Amino acid sequence: GAVVSQHPSRVICKSGTSVKIECRSLDFQATTMFWYRQFPKQSLMLMATSNEGSKATYEQGVEKDKFLINHASLTLSTLTVTSAHPEDSSFYICSASRRAANEKLFFGSGTQLSVL
Amino acid sequence: QKEVEQNSGPLSVPEGAIASLNCTYSDRGSQSFFWYRQYSGKSPELIMSIYSNGDKEDGRFTAQLNKASQYVSLLIRDSQPSDSATYLCAVRRSGGYQKVTFGIGTKLQVIP
Repeated sequence: GAVVSQHPSRVICKSGTSVKIECRSLDFQATTMFWYRQFPKQSLMLMATSNEGSKATYEQGVEKDKFLINHASLTLSTLTVTSAHPEDSSFYICSASRRAANEKLFFGSGTQLSVL
Repeated sequence: QKEVEQNSGPLSVPEGAIASLNCTYSDRGSQSFFWYRQYSGKSPELIMSIYSNGDKEDGRFTAQLNKASQYVSLLIRDSQPSDSATYLCAVRRSGGYQKVTFGIGTKLQVIP
């Protein structure tokens, strides 16, 4: 299966700081990358969809000025949580997909963000 | 109505038994269906994908799809304690650029 690398795996930061999470597809070109957030005992909630070279499409209720997504190349997407607050503490997971019709979604290992 | 519905469980089965996990979805335009396994604190791992009506078998796993009933299921034969995890049902419209929608997941406990 395809490999998606996500870093860092765990971040602890103070309230008000910004955190950047990187997601790389290592052995394929990911035309589309998705960012999910998962709170304890809840399902994965899609935050945004990003296509290489274009602006991300955010899901309803997700603040685009707070969660900055950049998909500058076919192998790299970044999510920056700006001015993080304790309520932003969550498990953030990136995923990547090729464009073909039946392509599967491959996940990074996730980033556990804890905002103090 | 949720887009993808699953019973959150827990579903407890004895070791060696068949575990049956079920999922219904609301979007009739869905074309791709997936089952992911997620261990606590880890990201999901793809177990099975199915795209057409009927059964698809892979080792101890069988996925079943009925588009008319908007129903997807996963059977795990000869369940092992290592199968204990949360199983996420996911659906997608056609195309790798389309978003994947997940159910809440069913927690499976295999009792030794």
